[in-house]
Amino acid sequence: AQSVTQLGSHVSVSEGALVLLRCNYSSSVPPYLFWYVQYPNQGLQLLLKYTTGATLVKGINGFEAEFKKSETSFHLTKPSAHMSDAAEYFCAVSGGGGFKTIFGAGTRLFVKA
Amino acid sequence: DVKVTQSSRYLVKRTGEKVFLECVQDMDHENMFWYRQDPGLGLRLIYFSYDVKMKEKGDIPEGYSVSREKKERFSLILESASTNQTSMYLCASSPRRTIAEQYFGPGTRLTVT
Repeated sequence: AQSVTQLGSHVSVSEGALVLLRCNYSSSVPPYLFWYVQYPNQGLQLLLKYTTGATLVKGINGFEAEFKKSETSFHLTKPSAHMSDAAEYFCAVSGGGGFKTIFGAGTRLFVKA
Repeated sequence: DVKVTQSSRYLVKRTGEKVFLECVQDMDHENMFWYRQDPGLGLRLIYFSYDVKMKEKGDIPEGYSVSREKKERFSLILESASTNQTSMYLCASSPRRTIAEQYFGPGTRLTVT
């Protein structure tokens, strides 16, 4: 069975500050990991994904995430927050040959001017 | 540009009505999914389909059914709408590769009164 835990339902940062959104997963098979972003009144869009290979993954809009197997984590970071980053972020895990993807509960990011 | 469209952005229905939510994708994807999104619960899978006329129950199928008569179209049906089905409904698709990101539609916000 697979599961995802996102630590913190709300995160608030100042513009220009580091963004860190935490995600821990549980998987009995090698996981494929994803971060999606949802802007208000829109569907989800892919930010980045980890499948195999390099554990530091770069995505769109300056975001990146690092797969740490020993910590079962896939935290999302961005060095400098922008007002346009305000959105809800979902971590997700898939694997084991199935079609299903398990999503976390989401973290809403607020960016203060 | 890949596209998943949903028939309505907002829908208001009365308790007991039969409700149809339509989803169309233009990417020739084999897999299609219906989720509901509720605050604090993330996305929960209702049904998915990996081929025409094929369907599989997700985690919360009770009160819902689906139809996939054509590859590009996946319909979600609420046989008799109830107030606890008030939610945001998201459709997604992905290619046959089992571990692949999903492409989401903009969502339908359904209110059942």
